[in-house]
Amino acid sequence: DTEVTQTPKHLVMGMTNKKSLKCEQHMGHRAMYWYKQKAKKPPELMFVYSYEKLSINESVPSRFSPECPNSSLLNLHLHALQPEDSALYLCASSQWFGSSNDEQFFGPGTRLTVL
Amino acid sequence: DAKTTQPPSMDCAEGRAANLPCNHSTISGNEYVYWYRQIHSQGPQYIIHGLKNNETNEMASLIITEDRKSSTLILPHATLRDTAVYYCIVRVRGKLIFGQGTELSVKP
Repeated sequence: DTEVTQTPKHLVMGMTNKKSLKCEQHMGHRAMYWYKQKAKKPPELMFVYSYEKLSINESVPSRFSPECPNSSLLNLHLHALQPEDSALYLCASSQWFGSSNDEQFFGPGTRLTVL
Repeated sequence: DAKTTQPPSMDCAEGRAANLPCNHSTISGNEYVYWYRQIHSQGPQYIIHGLKNNETNEMASLIITEDRKSSTLILPHATLRDTAVYYCIVRVRGKLIFGQGTELSVKP
């Protein structure tokens, strides 16, 4: 199984809502990633988890709160988002973080719209 | 961090080879070159990666110049399904730093 799954596929939320994005992989990977992709732009790294611990936060606003409950699961909790946060949110995983010689597998993404 | 430069768009005739160039003149000795592609609004798909030597797999070939300052991704027989944005990436300390990519259009 070389698949990263993400739910939901689409999410519409108001600025006062709290919602969560979910990502799962069963490849035994110990590194998991969140990326944000605005329309017509390349993906931008947000967070990296290595062995279920947060390794990198690329200066992401606190209204985005990541969580890694176990080695297979990665969540992104959303609260008080702004319309400019509307984007495609991508999850990825790889064997380890820090290695430059292993592939990152991406999920299909969650299309988020903030009203 | 090493950056990549790619042409914003390219066309290719179906059945012909697509050669996608990438410049990465500031790459360091231990940094790998990765290629991913993204078909409209899907997650990026891994294609190939390499350090110094040329690499080939079932999808593509990667040619890296001897000075490692540039590389070319070759899709040997492009099909309409290869229409996508292709990203050339230098992987820095485990991180994929995406450039702007090349939008490849394969035409009948």
